[in-house]
Amino acid sequence: NAGVTQTPKFQVLKTGQSMTLQCAQDMNHEYMSWYRQDPGMGLRLIHYSVGAGITDQGEVPNGYNVSRSTTEDFPLRLLSAAPSQTSVYFCASRVGAGVYGYTFGSGTRLTVV
Amino acid sequence: GQQVMQIPQYQHVQEGEDFTTYCNSSTTLSNIQWYKQRPGGHPVFLIQLVKSGEVKKQKRLTFQFGEAKKNSSLHITATQTTDVGTYFCAGRDQGGSEKLVFGKGTKLTVNP
Repeated sequence: NAGVTQTPKFQVLKTGQSMTLQCAQDMNHEYMSWYRQDPGMGLRLIHYSVGAGITDQGEVPNGYNVSRSTTEDFPLRLLSAAPSQTSVYFCASRVGAGVYGYTFGSGTRLTVV
Repeated sequence: GQQVMQIPQYQHVQEGEDFTTYCNSSTTLSNIQWYKQRPGGHPVFLIQLVKSGEVKKQKRLTFQFGEAKKNSSLHITATQTTDVGTYFCAGRDQGGSEKLVFGKGTKLTVNP
């Protein structure tokens, strides 16, 4: 199992550009989430999904879209990048039941100039 | 909205000393999880606590969930250099939402 795979690992965008951060998991996990991590701010939830076709907003959803057409994939779209979106983005997944925590991907470091 | 506060923000200890980080939620939680993130790495799940007053141990790590299910702590006995990293707590509201809210973390450094 590859676990949770995020691509790209690094990205530089210009203000106003759009892009999609990819996240894929091969563990057949129902639940997936996107977090952003900024220095001193911990991890803040952007969007999450409890299954294919079902998504919901987290703490900081503005400027981001998600969709979950398959169990495996949960892409995060930046609609019009802003410098405030410079951050490290983590995708995570977990099984739907039981006392299991999230398995995190290795992250995407995004810089918006 | 739900908030999870964690203290201290930083902790520096000598190797062999004990370490404790505390987590406090503004709302009653259904469960709380703890994660460890090594420098430059991604968060790694350590444990989940579900029951009021629950205590769980993993070798030198002891996790507690408060009686009111609004606070939690992680205690490390006799720290080692391998314990270096940032420890996060993360809680879910009792409303049944999957939304998992993280504290800001406690960064632990250990002097050998």
